[in-house]
Amino acid sequence: TQLLEQSPQFLSIQEGENLTVYCNSSSVFSSLQWYRQEPGEGPVLLVTVVTGGEVKKLKRLTFQFGDARKDSSLHITAAQPGDTGLYLCAGAGQAGTALIFGKGTTLSVSS
Amino acid sequence: NAGVMQNPRHLVRRRGQEARLRCSPMKGHSHVYWYRQLPEEGLKFMVYLQKENIIDESGMPKERFSAEFPKEGPSILRIQQVVRGDSAAYFCASSGSRDTIYFGEGSWLTVV
Repeated sequence: TQLLEQSPQFLSIQEGENLTVYCNSSSVFSSLQWYRQEPGEGPVLLVTVVTGGEVKKLKRLTFQFGDARKDSSLHITAAQPGDTGLYLCAGAGQAGTALIFGKGTTLSVSS
Repeated sequence: NAGVMQNPRHLVRRRGQEARLRCSPMKGHSHVYWYRQLPEEGLKFMVYLQKENIIDESGMPKERFSAEFPKEGPSILRIQQVVRGDSAAYFCASSGSRDTIYFGEGSWLTVV
């Protein structure tokens, strides 16, 4: 069974701080997605990383896929209250199987 | 450009009743997934369907739960004889390829 572990589970920071969220597994994934979910809404896709070592930037968010395609990180620079939400990573494994999700990191940014 | 459409958004059922949740995938998508989300438990995979076929139902409870994705019309997740433990948010997602999926806004089921 493939599992994705996200850490930390909860993170509460002040506006302007930097933070990193981790997504780790002992399994290899063909790709990995990061989603952000707000209360009462569905997850919204932020990025898909496919190649080992790949780095993608989305404004103040930087996503990295590990060289071995077993782990990923999300780094947010100068966090803002609008970044508050649940961040989920999801991995695509064997062909014909659905995405596996981590339990998520709940981020709270206060002004 | 409509995304994944789910309805109803909120549903209240008494114990023992049936709940039907509907999902229309994004235009051009033929893969549908259903996930269940409980507070602080993340998204749990339930079932993966393509048109008229169940590809993977390894996450579906063995009893009372069923899903279909007919040739015409939306995908349906059906829960018979609901119990309080079925209260959760149910999310549908669709994809045109296996790897990247897009979610609907969810259906919140409350069993009273």
